[in-house]
Amino acid sequence: QVQLVESGGGVVQPGRSLRLSCAASGFTFRSYGMHWVRQAPGKGLEWVAIISHDGTNKYYADSMKGRFTISRDNSRNTVYLQMNSLRAEDTALYYCAKPGYCSSTICSSWFDTWGQGTLVIVSS
Amino acid sequence: QSALTQPASVSGSPGQSITISCTGTSSDVGGYDYVSWHQQHPGKAPKLVIYDVNNRPSGVSDRFSGSKSGNTASLTISGLQAEDEADYYCISYTSSTLGGVVFGGGTKLTVL
Repeated sequence: QVQLVESGGGVVQPGRSLRLSCAASGFTFRSYGMHWVRQAPGKGLEWVAIISHDGTNKYYADSMKGRFTISRDNSRNTVYLQMNSLRAEDTALYYCAKPGYCSSTICSSWFDTWGQGTLVIVSS
Repeated sequence: QSALTQPASVSGSPGQSITISCTGTSSDVGGYDYVSWHQQHPGKAPKLVIYDVNNRPSGVSDRFSGSKSGNTASLTISGLQAEDEADYYCISYTSSTLGGVVFGGGTKLTVL
């Protein structure tokens, strides 16, 4: 079945870096753009970034632009989120999410599969 | 990026119907039929319940339905059950950002 498994979260000091991974299985990974979405404790969902199916296009939420980098390795069916200059407000559960469908040029804005999330805590 | 506007909370008794609204602009909700709704129980990942305004994924109860009028989309849950108590988020395509996705702030549904 379709599955997404995030890893790489943990406790990190402000200003430091962390790389999250999301391993995908059960679908043709290279055909899908992939998203990262986060949820601060007790708060709502917040979109973080998207990467196109081939990795050529990457877009970010304004608050993460310049600090976060999304990437992917289609040979490993994995999408990554490199997070630099971390702040306390980046503390959240980070989910990767798969669009319901993707054509060659566009993906749906809805997600049919989410991972279980990986928790990032930024604290001194 | 401005989030879509949802009520913070709604409530209803078992067997009743409730509606959750999601208000955006002509650049997102009003301009495209690409609104989805996700249900999230505490400690769980979100789950898709409605996509493209009014389509239900396989396995989702037909008590869940969606609609849209102008810049406002709505999720209706009929015949409320205790298991429906959860947070609900709307998501829409947006032409305002390159990322193309905008989220609602979420609505806490309480089944009395």
